[in-house]
Amino acid sequence: AQSVTQLGSHVSVSEGALVLLRCNYSSSVPPYLFWYVQYPNQGLQLLLKYTSAATLVKGINGFEAEFKKSETSFHLTKPSAHMSDAAEYFCAVSETGGKLIFGQGTELSVKP
Amino acid sequence: DSGVTQTPKHLITATGQRVTLRCSPRSGDLSVYWYQQSLDQGLQFLIQYYNGEERAKGNILERFSAQQFPDLHSELNLSSLELGDSALYFCASSEGGQGGSYEQYFGPGTRLTVT
Repeated sequence: AQSVTQLGSHVSVSEGALVLLRCNYSSSVPPYLFWYVQYPNQGLQLLLKYTSAATLVKGINGFEAEFKKSETSFHLTKPSAHMSDAAEYFCAVSETGGKLIFGQGTELSVKP
Repeated sequence: DSGVTQTPKHLITATGQRVTLRCSPRSGDLSVYWYQQSLDQGLQFLIQYYNGEERAKGNILERFSAQQFPDLHSELNLSSLELGDSALYFCASSEGGQGGSYEQYFGPGTRLTVT
């Protein structure tokens, strides 16, 4: 069965610093991988997705993620954090039928 | 705005009761997914419908059921409610029903509180 592990339930960075949110997946077949963001009291918004076209995936709001098969990782990065990036971030893997398997989430705090 | 609508936004009810959550997918999307988000279980897939037919089932309790209607809106029915059913319930929709590459668009959720 596919699974996702997000390392660190809480990450805190200073405004302007690099954001790195870690995600490792387990899958017996080439995976489809996603990052979603959830702002307080809102639904999930898709940041980016990997579908094997390119290993470096660019998403919205300046985020990108790199698929590394050898490390079974799909870490999310952003060069410079903004206060508005404070939210919870979820990594997910998609099974063949389409259902998403989510990691436990990482709450990102941005300090001024 | 994802284009997925969910009603009601909040629901407070007592143990033993039954509730119905409603979801309207984005225009053109044929698949509807239901997820439950709770502090202890995180985000968990419940069930998927594609063009009116059940396509996949997750760890959905027998007390829960869902359906998708001809106009593609979906309803999630929760019965004999327990305190542990308190959670945020999300609906998502996607264009396709198979193949994991389809993007899922999430609604704002229904927050269910069972007292």
